[in-house]
Amino acid sequence: GQNIDQPTEMTATEGAIVQINCTYQTSGFNGLFWYQQHAGEAPTFLSYNVLDGLEEKGRFSSFLSRSKGYSYLLLKELQMKDSASYLCAVTNGDYKLSFGAGTTVTVRA
Amino acid sequence: IAGITQAPTSQILAAGRRMTLRCTQDMRHNAMYWYRQDLGLGLRLIHYSNTAGTTGKGEVPDGYSVSRANTDDFPLPLASAVPSQTSVYFCASTTGFSGANVLTFGAGSRLTVL
Repeated sequence: GQNIDQPTEMTATEGAIVQINCTYQTSGFNGLFWYQQHAGEAPTFLSYNVLDGLEEKGRFSSFLSRSKGYSYLLLKELQMKDSASYLCAVTNGDYKLSFGAGTTVTVRA
Repeated sequence: IAGITQAPTSQILAAGRRMTLRCTQDMRHNAMYWYRQDLGLGLRLIHYSNTAGTTGKGEVPDGYSVSRANTDDFPLPLASAVPSQTSVYFCASTTGFSGANVLTFGAGSRLTVL
């Protein structure tokens, strides 16, 4: 089975940096995903890591350590539109994604 | 516009009634999924289909039964709805090849069973 943990809520100020941690224990591993979900909307893809290290994509970066079962999503230069839930998800290569419960980020002015 | 269409957007249903949540994609994706999302529990996989004609059970399959007759459609029938099936249901699809199977999600169907 899959066990994926991430904090429930985080609050940060506009322009700041926030780091959302995700730890996982899985039977097999073939990649970790981050999705963004605004309230009342569908999740949308942010990033994918399969090898150790940092993947940078504009203001968002995602890091993976497979030996530690750990990932983080880094949001820089926070904007009000970044207020959303961020979902960590893991695949073991069988076409299925298992999701954590999500982290709700609130950006304050 | 290519993507996934779910219907209905929202539905209130009396317990014991039947209905089908519909999901259609026009991206010719092989794999399709049904997730439910409940507060504090995140997205949980109900059933999936790697290709037309095959289905599999996810984390929370009890009370749901699916089939997939063609590539484009993956309906989720509720034979006799119960209050515990109150949730937001998301359909998703992906090409199905191993590796970065990025899921594309539909807009969701909010179901309330009274």
